[in-house]
Amino acid sequence: KQEVTQIPAALSVPEGENLVLNCSFTDSAIYNLQWFRQDPGKGLTSLLLIQSSQREQTSGRLNASLDKSSGRSTLYIAASQPGDSATYLCAVRRGTSYGKLTFGQGTILTVHP
Amino acid sequence: GAGVSQSPRYKVAKRGQDVALRCDPISGHVSLFWYQQALGQGPEFLTYFQNEAQLDKSGLPSDRFFAERPEGSVSTLKIQRTQQEDSAVYLCASSQTTWGKGTYEQYFGPGTRLTVT
Repeated sequence: KQEVTQIPAALSVPEGENLVLNCSFTDSAIYNLQWFRQDPGKGLTSLLLIQSSQREQTSGRLNASLDKSSGRSTLYIAASQPGDSATYLCAVRRGTSYGKLTFGQGTILTVHP
Repeated sequence: GAGVSQSPRYKVAKRGQDVALRCDPISGHVSLFWYQQALGQGPEFLTYFQNEAQLDKSGLPSDRFFAERPEGSVSTLKIQRTQQEDSAVYLCASSQTTWGKGTYEQYFGPGTRLTVT
């Protein structure tokens, strides 16, 4: 059974810092991996999706990397801003499924001015 | 449509009551998923529909949970005889990807927060 773990569970940083969120998964037979952002009372917003054949994806100040063989992904956020404060969720899709996601428990990020 | 919508946004039920949660997916999306998110946890898969067919219900926690999508569009998740442990946010997601094609990217609704007292 696939298990996804995110470290740290919570992170508080001053504005302007660069930071890294970690995600690990136990079964390397994934189709792709996705990072989401969740704001309180809101649904999930997709940030980045990395196919299993890719090593990284970038969008603005966000960069996500994937090392499928070691079962790890990182989300790098550059020059953090208070508006980045949210819960960040990592999720993986199996290669033999129709798209069912297995999520980690999330990292709660607080960026203070 | 503009996105996935869910109703109601908040539901308070007394223990033992039945509830029905509605999901309106993005128009034309073939795939529809339900997830349950307990407080402080990541979402967990409940069930999957491709059009009107429920292809996977392995995540439904008990036979008190029932989902349907009779016309391949709107879906309803029903919980009978609610218990306190059913308190959670129920998220719906839709995708236009079907088997073997594309990225399977899912678009999530805002969720329904169910509180059982």
